[in-house]
Amino acid sequence: EDQVTQSPEALRLQEGESSSLNCSYTVSGLRGLFWYRQDPGKGPEFLFTLYSAGEEKEKERLKATLTKKESFLHITAPKPEDSATYLCAVGPTGNKLTFGGGTRVLVKP
Amino acid sequence: GAVVSQHPSRVICKSGTSVKIECRSLDFQATTMFWYRQFPKQSLMLMATSNEGSKATYEQGVEKDKFLINHASLTLSTLTVTSAHPEDSSFYICSARAQGFRDTEAFFGQGTRLTVV
Repeated sequence: EDQVTQSPEALRLQEGESSSLNCSYTVSGLRGLFWYRQDPGKGPEFLFTLYSAGEEKEKERLKATLTKKESFLHITAPKPEDSATYLCAVGPTGNKLTFGGGTRVLVKP
Repeated sequence: GAVVSQHPSRVICKSGTSVKIECRSLDFQATTMFWYRQFPKQSLMLMATSNEGSKATYEQGVEKDKFLINHASLTLSTLTVTSAHPEDSSFYICSARAQGFRDTEAFFGQGTRLTVV
């Protein structure tokens, strides 16, 4: 059974204070690792898909990396508008994505 | 990008009534759609998977007679919460997998906040 664990559960940052979010996974055969951003009361917004170890993708202040056991989402010089919950998922196995519990990020000005 | 539209965004209904939530893929054909439920400060819990023209596959513990799913076309899936009760109050989110994109990618609707009073 696929498993995804995200850490930390919550992260408080000062504006400009870079940090990383971790997503550890176990999966029988990785077809993709996905990062989403979710704002309160909204559906998840697609950020990145990573398919193989060593792959990296960037979007503005976000950079996602992938190894055989985990993925990191690096937030460089965050701004208050980066405050959100970041979700990691793997799959699909049997047509389903398996989500982690998410990391709630709060960036204070 | 792929856009998934979910309607309504918020709904309040009386206990015992039924509520229908629509999920549409606006600029792509969705062979598979997913329905999730999310409790406050928790991650997404998959309720069911639906493929166009066939019966939905429900996750263990999800009552198929309470949560009716119809995926009649490649751009529309509906979730009907029948005989709703206060414990059905939650945030419901749909997701669609797009033909033409990498077959693993899925895109989400805006979510529906259901409150049963």
